[in-house]
Amino acid sequence: DAGITQSPRHKVTETGTPVTLRCHQTENHRYMYWYRQDPGHGLRLIHYSYGVKDTDKGEVSDGYSVSRSKTEDFLLTLESATSSQTSVYFCAIKIGGTDTQYFGPGTRLTVL
Amino acid sequence: GDSVTQMEGPVTLSEEAFLTINCTYTATGYPSLFWYVQYPGEGLQLLLKATKADDKGSNKGFEATYRKETTSFHLEKGSVQVSDSAVYFCALSHSGGSNYKLTFGKGTLLTVNP
Repeated sequence: DAGITQSPRHKVTETGTPVTLRCHQTENHRYMYWYRQDPGHGLRLIHYSYGVKDTDKGEVSDGYSVSRSKTEDFLLTLESATSSQTSVYFCAIKIGGTDTQYFGPGTRLTVL
Repeated sequence: GDSVTQMEGPVTLSEEAFLTINCTYTATGYPSLFWYVQYPGEGLQLLLKATKADDKGSNKGFEATYRKETTSFHLEKGSVQVSDSAVYFCALSHSGGSNYKLTFGKGTLLTVNP
């Protein structure tokens, strides 16, 4: 499982509240990613990181921000959650020297 | 931009039937191709991969061959089991790209009945 954990695993929140999801890895991988999974869309990239303090946007980044202050943690923040952000969020890491990604167990977020 | 198209589901088969899930892609250059599987209530697991034309990825009885000429990476298994019931995702990544991001198909739900 490439030593990836996500927290929380489930969260219910209300529209307009801030939410932070955490991805933690134990193997010092350089690249980390946040995807969201929605029915009929597969997975879509929100943001990614290629090192400490180095991040960039993916295809569905509006309404999300990220931070990576240390190698092992990649945080995804919804500044003001909306119902359209109800989804399952997956973190992934890329194995160095390959283009293979492994995924965490996911966080199910419901915004009421 | 890059895109992945996989056959619409759901697919329902009887145990021991032959499985094919079609996947085609659009991308520049020479992407790497992947199949991921998601069992009910779980995250995505890498099932198999291929990194260059004519490579065959295989795992757990599943196979897929990277066909550059038809831009395809169809998933096959000769005899499915009930335990293969899951959602299958085809994906591509550009080797050597600046971010290695994965582009996914929409997923195909497979149900195998005893």
